[in-house]
Amino acid sequence: SAVISQKPSRDICQRGTSLTIQCQVDSQVTMMFWYRQQPGQSLTLIATANQGSEATYESGFVIDKFPISRPNLTFSTLTVSNMSPEDSSIYLCSVSRREFSYNEQFFGPGTRLTVL
Amino acid sequence: AQSVAQPEDQVNVAEGNPLTVKCTYSVSGNPYLFWYVQYPNRGLQFLLKYITGDNLVKGSYGFEAEFNKSQTSFHLKKPSALVSDSALYFCAAGGRRALTFGSGTRLQVQP
Repeated sequence: SAVISQKPSRDICQRGTSLTIQCQVDSQVTMMFWYRQQPGQSLTLIATANQGSEATYESGFVIDKFPISRPNLTFSTLTVSNMSPEDSSIYLCSVSRREFSYNEQFFGPGTRLTVL
Repeated sequence: AQSVAQPEDQVNVAEGNPLTVKCTYSVSGNPYLFWYVQYPNRGLQFLLKYITGDNLVKGSYGFEAEFNKSQTSFHLKKPSALVSDSALYFCAAGGRRALTFGSGTRLQVQP
């Protein structure tokens, strides 16, 4: 497994502002992902964070709204830009040691975001 | 596109009784299937996975899951439920990039 930490654990933000969430892993991993879990709902993949190149976004998510960085194999950030109340969610970082689809992912504790 | 369905929003079971949380899947090719559990205010924890081989997969905390190819199901089971098993359970399928999750099933174990 992997030990994953996220900062902040929670935040309350004003509409129109931006928040950057950090994800730190205790060892090098191949794959890093960002998911969103809206209240009472399942997880939806936002993007795959690629080291040294632009993130790969899923349908419905764009770089201007959710810029992602991954400077190395243990760290990534997700920014939620120009926030609105609809962005209130739990944002989860996950990692996988290899890129194959049969490898389990390990999740961070999540960042609970409330936008007023 | 692949999909995962969890037909029950909530499952209630008495402590000590067996429990089953249902999951069906639709994938092309070989299915890679996972179960995760989410406790309140915590991230997801990996329970078990099916890649190939034995249809009965054993995982953490006494949970197991039965893969049934003909019924495209991957139900989570435990012979004797504990109150501490009360949580939100997600079934997921491995994909090209990341996991596709079901909608989740809340398990409530009553003392």
